[in-house]
Amino acid sequence: ETGVTQTPRHLVMGMTNKKSLKCEQHLGHNAMYWYKQSAKKPLELMFVYNFKEQTENNSVPSRFSPECPNSSHLFLHLHTLQPEDSALYLCASSQGAGSGGETQYFGPGTRLLVL
Amino acid sequence: GQNIDQPTEMTATEGAIVQINCTYQTSGFNGLFWYQQHAGEAPTFLSYNVLDGLEEKGRFSSFLSRSKGYSYLLLKELQMKDSASYLCAVRDSNYQLIWGAGTKLIIKP
Repeated sequence: ETGVTQTPRHLVMGMTNKKSLKCEQHLGHNAMYWYKQSAKKPLELMFVYNFKEQTENNSVPSRFSPECPNSSHLFLHLHTLQPEDSALYLCASSQGAGSGGETQYFGPGTRLLVL
Repeated sequence: GQNIDQPTEMTATEGAIVQINCTYQTSGFNGLFWYQQHAGEAPTFLSYNVLDGLEEKGRFSSFLSRSKGYSYLLLKELQMKDSASYLCAVRDSNYQLIWGAGTKLIIKP
């Protein structure tokens, strides 16, 4: 247990569906992250929120829409996804973002399959 | 561009020692991290190096040479539970983490 939880753990959706991924951290951190992890590829940073403000959007397609209502919760809203979006989506949190050696703590991920 | 290189897969024997290398070319350097990720689980933090030298933590040690853009993770007295992927990540001048693709370590009895 890392103190970061994600739901659902597995998700199968069609290309026309709308779904949301949820992440919650119980560590009192101020920064939260969404990553995409594909087989045999490096982790791809998607979004960063620091004190509820989005500070990074790494050229992510608009079919992925993040939401951070407070420092403990992070959502990733999905709509009209493509099969190549199938991957493991990881949420992480850290004390802050952008300075020092803050360690990121990861949730177990949501395994997404787009049909 | 920024790049982290690490072997795709390694095999070692239970009880032995294994060294997983990581080389990096990044725009600036503000620390290097090693994470362990078991299949289907979250990556978990193992070590952080920001100065040259060896950091030892139980059976695991991590080494850094900033002038060579090089790090390694050393695992001693290997156990079957050490079978996992090991991820190397470097924090660049913008404090962004640049990740390697990970090294899958297979431990055989």
